[in-house]
Amino acid sequence: QVQLQESGPGLVKPSQTLSLTCSVSGGSINSTNSYWSWIRQPPGKGPEWIGYIFYSGYTNYNPSLKSRITISLDSSKNQFSLKLSSVTAADTAVYFCARGAVPAANHWFDPWGQGTLVTVSS
Amino acid sequence: DVVMTQSPEFLAVSLGERATINCKSSQSLLYTSINKNYLAWYQQKPGQPPKLLIYWASTRESGVPDRFSGSGSGTDFTLTINSLLAEDVALYYCQQYYTTPWTFGQGTKVDI
Repeated sequence: QVQLQESGPGLVKPSQTLSLTCSVSGGSINSTNSYWSWIRQPPGKGPEWIGYIFYSGYTNYNPSLKSRITISLDSSKNQFSLKLSSVTAADTAVYFCARGAVPAANHWFDPWGQGTLVTVSS
Repeated sequence: DVVMTQSPEFLAVSLGERATINCKSSQSLLYTSINKNYLAWYQQKPGQPPKLLIYWASTRESGVPDRFSGSGSGTDFTLTINSLLAEDVALYYCQQYYTTPWTFGQGTKVDI
């Protein structure tokens, strides 16, 4: 059973880069046709999809964040990562990693990591 | 972007009664060639990630109690919780996966 766990700093200063890692256990990040997403949820709001990386390394980003984000894979560590640059207070949120529930470009999410709160503040 | 609008924002239901949550999308989520609606429902409890309940608008995820059901097509969808239990108190979200960026509703809080 695949499990995901986010890790990274809980506090980031404005204008800096937020960096998070999602560690995958119970399965390979290189599984054929697997999709790995980052999703965030600001306090009191609904989730917002940030982007995904396909097992081959292909990425698809939310246009609203595209200029600031990079999602990458590290197959040797069975991890994938998120970098979000030039953060502001509006980027304060719980950040989740999740897997596409089916090996298809159009997918819902399951499972999810537990999430990690990232606060942007000086 | 496809805008997902849920109603109501808050719903109080007596134990054992039915809860009905609506989700409306700004464009059709029906892929006509395969007759499937690209919509999922999740349940989220405090401090937890969303939990998948329903996909393809009406297919219940394995292990989800059958008091949860999804219906609808095109742009209008409904999540129904029959015989509400105390453990069903949570936030509920719909999500479209018809086209990126995938988008979620703003959530419906169900309470007793």
